[in-house]
Amino acid sequence: QVQLQESGPGLVKPSETLSLTCTVSGASLHRGYYYWSWIRQAPGKGLEWIGYIYYSGSTNYNPSLKSRVTMSVDTSKNQFSLRLTSVTAADTAVYYCARTILGATIYFDSWGQGTLVTVSS
Amino acid sequence: DIQMTQSPSSLSASVGDRVIISCRASQSIRTYLNWYQQKPGKAPKLLIFAASTLQSGVPSRFTGSASGTDFTLTISNLQPEDFATYYCQQSYSSLTFGQGTRVDNK
Repeated sequence: QVQLQESGPGLVKPSETLSLTCTVSGASLHRGYYYWSWIRQAPGKGLEWIGYIYYSGSTNYNPSLKSRVTMSVDTSKNQFSLRLTSVTAADTAVYYCARTILGATIYFDSWGQGTLVTVSS
Repeated sequence: DIQMTQSPSSLSASVGDRVIISCRASQSIRTYLNWYQQKPGKAPKLLIFAASTLQSGVPSRFTGSASGTDFTLTISNLQPEDFATYYCQQSYSSLTFGQGTRVDNK
């Protein structure tokens, strides 16, 4: 059974870069088939998809965040990562990583527990 | 951008009730629609994908249906563990979620 675990700083200063890593166990990123996403949820708000990455490094980002987002994958560590630049208070959220299936529709079938990132000086 | 509008935003129901949650897309998304359940402090859980396909392990009291741009999640015989917030999500153009429907105990 796949498990995902987010890790990274819980506090980031405004204008700096948010960096998170998702460690996957129970599934090998290099085997392909699955994509791997980041999704966030501001406190008391709904869900916002940030983007997804394939083991090859191919990415697809939310157009509203595309200019600030970079995702990368490290198959040797079975991890994928998120970088979000020039953060503001509006980027304060719980950040989830999720396994993503591109089938008849694109959906997220396994999620990490989430990690709260607060943007504050 | 495709907008997903859920209704109602919240509802109160009792164990054993039949609950219907709606999600309307601002344009055709065919059946590129999924449903999730989220409990407080927890990650969302996939319930239904492709509008009506039940995810493995999800109880059969959850059903999804589609009619044009209108999608419905029905919970038959509501159970105590079903009190939660439900989100729809489209993948026809980019990936966006509805604003959520909270189901609480009457």
